[in-house]
Amino acid sequence: ETGVTQSPTHLIKTRGQQVTLRCSSQSGHNTVSWYQQALGQGPQFIFQYYREEENGRGNFPPRFSGLQFPNYSSELNVNALELDDSALYLCASSLVGDSGNTIYFGEGSWLTVV
Amino acid sequence: AQSVTQLGSHVSVSEGALVLLRCNYSSSVPPYLFWYVQYPNQGLQLLLKYTTGATLVKGINGFEAEFKKSETSFHLTKPSAHMSDAAEYFCAVSLTGANNLFFGTGTRLTVIP
Repeated sequence: ETGVTQSPTHLIKTRGQQVTLRCSSQSGHNTVSWYQQALGQGPQFIFQYYREEENGRGNFPPRFSGLQFPNYSSELNVNALELDDSALYLCASSLVGDSGNTIYFGEGSWLTVV
Repeated sequence: AQSVTQLGSHVSVSEGALVLLRCNYSSSVPPYLFWYVQYPNQGLQLLLKYTTGATLVKGINGFEAEFKKSETSFHLTKPSAHMSDAAEYFCAVSLTGANNLFFGTGTRLTVIP
Protein backbone atom coordinates (compact mmCIF):
# COMPACT_ATOMS: atom_id res chain seq x y z
CA GLU A 1 0.00 0.00 0.00
CA THR A 2 1.68 3.20 -1.24
CA GLY A 3 -0.95 5.72 -0.23
CA VAL A 4 -1.36 6.86 -3.82
CA THR A 5 -4.75 6.17 -5.38
CA GLN A 6 -5.80 6.65 -8.97
CA SER A 7 -9.13 6.73 -10.73
CA PRO A 8 -10.59 5.40 -12.84
CA THR A 9 -8.79 2.08 -13.03
CA HIS A 10 -9.93 1.34 -16.57
CA LEU A 11 -11.61 3.39 -19.24
CA ILE A 12 -12.26 3.33 -22.96
CA LYS A 13 -12.38 6.47 -25.07
CA THR A 14 -12.85 7.23 -28.74
CA ARG A 15 -10.17 8.86 -30.86
CA GLY A 16 -10.51 12.65 -30.70
CA GLN A 17 -12.16 12.69 -27.30
CA GLN A 18 -10.72 14.15 -24.11
CA VAL A 19 -9.92 12.30 -20.89
CA THR A 20 -9.20 13.29 -17.30
CA LEU A 21 -7.37 10.95 -14.95
CA ARG A 22 -7.18 11.61 -11.24
CA CYS A 23 -4.65 10.93 -8.52
CA SER A 24 -4.74 11.31 -4.77
CA SER A 25 -1.22 11.58 -3.44
CA GLN A 26 0.17 10.36 -0.19
CA SER A 27 -0.59 12.78 2.62
CA GLY A 28 1.93 15.61 2.84
CA HIS A 29 3.62 14.91 -0.48
CA ASN A 30 4.23 18.13 -2.37
CA THR A 31 5.37 16.71 -5.70
CA VAL A 32 3.45 14.61 -8.15
CA SER A 33 4.50 13.23 -11.49
CA TRP A 34 2.70 11.41 -14.24
CA TYR A 35 4.10 8.64 -16.38
CA GLN A 36 2.82 6.85 -19.48
CA GLN A 37 3.55 3.13 -19.82
CA ALA A 38 2.73 1.64 -23.18
CA LEU A 39 2.27 -2.11 -23.40
CA GLY A 40 5.60 -3.88 -23.10
CA GLN A 41 7.53 -0.68 -22.40
CA GLY A 42 8.97 1.11 -19.40
CA PRO A 43 7.18 4.12 -17.98
CA GLN A 44 7.91 7.45 -19.65
CA PHE A 45 7.92 10.71 -17.72
CA ILE A 46 5.17 13.08 -18.82
CA PHE A 47 5.50 15.96 -16.35
CA GLN A 48 5.98 16.90 -12.74
CA TYR A 49 4.09 19.34 -10.52
CA TYR A 50 5.48 20.98 -7.44
CA ARG A 51 3.38 23.33 -5.34
CA GLU A 52 0.71 23.47 -8.04
CA GLU A 53 3.07 24.46 -10.84
CA GLU A 54 4.58 22.39 -13.60
CA ASN A 55 8.34 22.22 -13.08
CA GLY A 56 9.49 19.58 -15.49
CA ARG A 57 8.19 17.97 -18.64
CA GLY A 58 9.15 15.02 -20.77
CA ASN A 59 8.78 14.65 -24.51
CA PHE A 60 4.99 14.92 -24.67
CA PRO A 61 2.91 17.37 -26.71
CA PRO A 62 0.88 20.21 -25.16
CA ARG A 63 -2.35 18.25 -25.46
CA PHE A 64 -1.10 16.48 -22.33
CA SER A 65 -1.74 18.85 -19.45
CA GLY A 66 -2.12 18.64 -15.73
CA LEU A 67 -3.24 20.25 -12.53
CA GLN A 68 -2.15 19.91 -8.95
CA PHE A 69 -4.49 21.06 -6.20
CA PRO A 70 -3.72 22.48 -2.75
CA ASN A 71 -4.59 19.17 -1.15
CA TYR A 72 -1.90 17.54 -3.37
CA SER A 73 -4.37 15.67 -5.50
CA SER A 74 -3.82 16.04 -9.20
CA GLU A 75 -5.24 15.49 -12.66
CA LEU A 76 -3.85 14.46 -16.01
CA ASN A 77 -5.81 15.74 -18.99
CA VAL A 78 -5.30 14.51 -22.51
CA ASN A 79 -7.06 16.25 -25.39
CA ALA A 80 -7.64 15.03 -28.93
CA LEU A 81 -6.94 11.43 -28.04
CA GLU A 82 -4.97 9.32 -30.47
CA LEU A 83 -4.79 5.55 -30.73
CA ASP A 84 -1.19 5.64 -29.51
CA ASP A 85 -2.33 7.21 -26.27
CA SER A 86 -3.58 3.78 -25.22
CA ALA A 87 -1.45 2.95 -22.18
CA LEU A 88 -1.24 2.61 -18.44
CA TYR A 89 -0.95 6.04 -16.83
CA LEU A 90 0.87 6.10 -13.52
CA CYS A 91 0.84 8.78 -10.88
CA ALA A 92 3.78 9.07 -8.50
CA SER A 93 4.10 11.28 -5.44
CA SER A 94 7.06 12.31 -3.37
CA LEU A 95 8.18 14.82 -0.79
CA VAL A 96 10.82 17.29 -1.90
CA GLY A 97 13.31 17.67 0.87
CA ASP A 98 12.97 14.10 1.99
CA SER A 99 16.44 12.66 2.09
CA GLY A 100 16.58 10.08 -0.66
CA ASN A 101 13.26 11.32 -1.95
CA THR A 102 11.24 8.12 -1.97
CA ILE A 103 8.74 8.05 -4.79
CA TYR A 104 5.45 6.21 -4.41
CA PHE A 105 3.45 4.98 -7.39
CA GLY A 106 -0.23 4.36 -7.71
CA GLU A 107 -1.59 1.30 -9.48
CA GLY A 108 -2.42 3.26 -12.56
CA SER A 109 -5.27 3.98 -14.92
CA TRP A 110 -5.60 1.85 -18.02
CA LEU A 111 -6.70 3.94 -20.99
CA THR A 112 -7.82 2.33 -24.22
CA VAL A 113 -8.44 4.59 -27.22
CA VAL A 114 -10.51 3.07 -30.00
CA ALA B 1 21.00 13.66 -20.58
CA GLN B 2 20.54 10.23 -19.16
CA SER B 3 19.68 6.78 -20.42
CA VAL B 4 19.18 3.30 -19.03
CA THR B 5 19.90 0.00 -20.74
CA GLN B 6 18.56 -3.24 -19.36
CA LEU B 7 20.29 -6.21 -20.94
CA GLY B 8 17.89 -9.04 -21.57
CA SER B 9 14.20 -8.38 -21.96
CA HIS B 10 13.49 -11.87 -20.62
CA VAL B 11 15.41 -13.81 -17.98
CA SER B 12 14.53 -17.30 -16.77
CA VAL B 13 15.96 -18.91 -13.66
CA SER B 14 15.19 -22.04 -11.70
CA GLU B 15 13.67 -21.73 -8.27
CA GLY B 16 16.53 -21.42 -5.77
CA ALA B 17 19.01 -20.18 -8.36
CA LEU B 18 20.79 -16.84 -8.42
CA VAL B 19 18.90 -13.95 -9.96
CA LEU B 20 20.97 -11.39 -11.89
CA LEU B 21 19.26 -8.57 -13.76
CA ARG B 22 21.56 -6.16 -15.55
CA CYS B 23 21.29 -2.41 -15.76
CA ASN B 24 23.70 0.07 -17.27
CA TYR B 25 23.19 3.79 -17.27
CA SER B 26 24.62 6.90 -18.77
CA SER B 27 24.49 10.17 -16.95
CA SER B 28 26.26 13.49 -17.11
CA VAL B 29 26.22 13.82 -13.34
CA PRO B 30 26.25 11.34 -10.45
CA PRO B 31 22.87 9.70 -10.71
CA TYR B 32 20.24 8.47 -8.36
CA LEU B 33 19.46 4.85 -9.29
CA PHE B 34 16.38 2.76 -8.61
CA TRP B 35 15.00 -0.71 -9.16
CA TYR B 36 11.23 -1.17 -9.32
CA VAL B 37 9.16 -4.33 -9.63
CA GLN B 38 5.80 -4.54 -11.38
CA TYR B 39 3.47 -7.48 -10.95
CA PRO B 40 0.82 -8.10 -13.62
CA ASN B 41 -1.81 -5.40 -13.81
CA GLN B 42 -0.29 -3.48 -10.93
CA GLY B 43 1.71 -0.30 -10.41
CA LEU B 44 5.39 -0.05 -9.53
CA GLN B 45 6.88 -1.05 -6.21
CA LEU B 46 10.27 0.23 -5.13
CA LEU B 47 12.78 -2.55 -4.48
CA LEU B 48 15.78 -0.39 -3.63
CA LYS B 49 17.52 2.85 -4.45
CA TYR B 50 21.00 4.32 -4.51
CA THR B 51 21.44 7.97 -3.64
CA THR B 52 24.85 8.47 -2.05
CA GLY B 53 27.15 6.61 0.30
CA ALA B 54 27.48 2.86 0.42
CA THR B 55 27.54 1.38 -3.05
CA LEU B 56 25.95 -1.93 -2.05
CA VAL B 57 22.28 -1.32 -1.49
CA LYS B 58 19.96 -3.79 0.15
CA GLY B 59 16.29 -3.75 -0.66
CA ILE B 60 13.13 -5.62 0.06
CA ASN B 61 12.45 -9.31 -0.57
CA GLY B 62 16.14 -10.22 -0.38
CA PHE B 63 17.23 -8.16 -3.38
CA GLU B 64 20.35 -6.06 -3.50
CA ALA B 65 22.22 -4.00 -6.06
CA GLU B 66 25.71 -2.60 -6.34
CA PHE B 67 26.51 0.78 -7.83
CA LYS B 68 29.72 0.53 -9.88
CA LYS B 69 30.67 3.94 -11.16
CA SER B 70 33.60 2.66 -13.24
CA GLU B 71 31.28 0.27 -15.08
CA THR B 72 28.24 2.59 -15.03
CA SER B 73 26.25 -0.37 -13.78
CA PHE B 74 23.61 -1.04 -11.16
CA HIS B 75 22.86 -4.76 -11.46
CA LEU B 76 20.16 -6.34 -9.33
CA THR B 77 20.79 -9.67 -7.61
CA LYS B 78 19.09 -12.13 -5.32
CA PRO B 79 20.88 -15.25 -4.08
CA SER B 80 17.92 -17.60 -4.35
CA ALA B 81 14.92 -17.10 -6.60
CA HIS B 82 11.42 -17.70 -5.34
CA MET B 83 8.34 -18.32 -7.42
CA SER B 84 6.87 -15.07 -6.13
CA ASP B 85 9.75 -13.14 -7.73
CA ALA B 86 8.27 -13.67 -11.18
CA ALA B 87 7.46 -10.17 -12.41
CA GLU B 88 8.71 -7.29 -14.58
CA TYR B 89 11.70 -5.39 -13.23
CA PHE B 90 12.60 -1.84 -14.17
CA CYS B 91 15.83 0.03 -13.60
CA ALA B 92 15.50 3.80 -13.45
CA VAL B 93 17.76 6.82 -13.13
CA SER B 94 17.18 10.36 -11.95
CA LEU B 95 19.69 13.17 -12.20
CA THR B 96 18.25 15.15 -9.33
CA GLY B 97 16.61 12.57 -7.13
CA ALA B 98 13.34 14.28 -7.88
CA ASN B 99 10.24 12.67 -9.23
CA ASN B 100 11.35 12.60 -12.88
CA LEU B 101 12.64 9.11 -13.39
CA PHE B 102 13.99 7.77 -16.66
CA PHE B 103 13.19 4.06 -16.95
CA GLY B 104 14.72 1.21 -18.86
CA THR B 105 12.55 -1.01 -21.02
CA GLY B 106 12.26 -3.67 -18.35
CA THR B 107 13.26 -7.30 -17.80
CA ARG B 108 10.64 -9.97 -17.38
CA LEU B 109 11.77 -12.55 -14.84
CA THR B 110 10.39 -16.06 -15.06
CA VAL B 111 11.05 -18.52 -12.24
CA ILE B 112 10.93 -22.18 -13.22
CA PRO B 113 9.82 -24.66 -10.55
